[in-house]
Amino acid sequence: EVQLLESGGDLVQPGGSLRLSCAASGFTFASYAMTWVRQAPGQGLEWVSGISKNDITYYADSVKGQFTISRDNSKNTLYLQMNSLRAEDTAVYYCTRGLAGMDVWGQGTTVIVSS
Amino acid sequence: DVVMTQSPLSLPVTLGQPASISCKSSESLVDSDGNSYLIWFQQRPGQSPRRLLYKVSNRDSGVPDRFSGSGSGTDFTLKISRVEAEDVGVYYCMQGAHWPRTFGQGTKVEIK
Repeated sequence: EVQLLESGGDLVQPGGSLRLSCAASGFTFASYAMTWVRQAPGQGLEWVSGISKNDITYYADSVKGQFTISRDNSKNTLYLQMNSLRAEDTAVYYCTRGLAGMDVWGQGTTVIVSS
Repeated sequence: DVVMTQSPLSLPVTLGQPASISCKSSESLVDSDGNSYLIWFQQRPGQSPRRLLYKVSNRDSGVPDRFSGSGSGTDFTLKISRVEAEDVGVYYCMQGAHWPRTFGQGTKVEIK
């Protein structure tokens, strides 16, 4: 079964850092691009970042220079390093497969930025 | 950035009746390969988003055939032929032709 499992969400103080992980299973992870999407409480979906299977990266302007997407194909895992966190980064973060397809989604991991 | 505009934002529907959601993009979504990269997602209450349709009208596996997509260029439509109780949720369109990817605001479908 194709699955994505996010982890790493937590309560963090403003200015802090967090690294999210997304463990993939049931498919050949190295053959797929991957994407992070977030959803603030009670709000819609916001595209955050994507990475191609050749490690080309893409970022929303709102997180450029603040977040870094990466992948470890040997561990079938996608990452999102988030630095200088702000209250507006509070959201459920989803990983999803593909850059323009997004056919498989994880259950999400919650990041709360608050003092 | 490409702006995706959905309407209506709220859609009360009677069970068994049809429903239609519009999604308009500020730029054409036709890619250099001739495909239109417009996706529809469904998000049921408390769940992750689920892809329903890709490249405008291609239904994902397991998606009931009462869901259909149409459109081209900048104007797209999601139709539900006969709404069922399990269709309650928020529907989003998203464009995959330009960077950054952008979503519509979402349309909340509820039963009257």
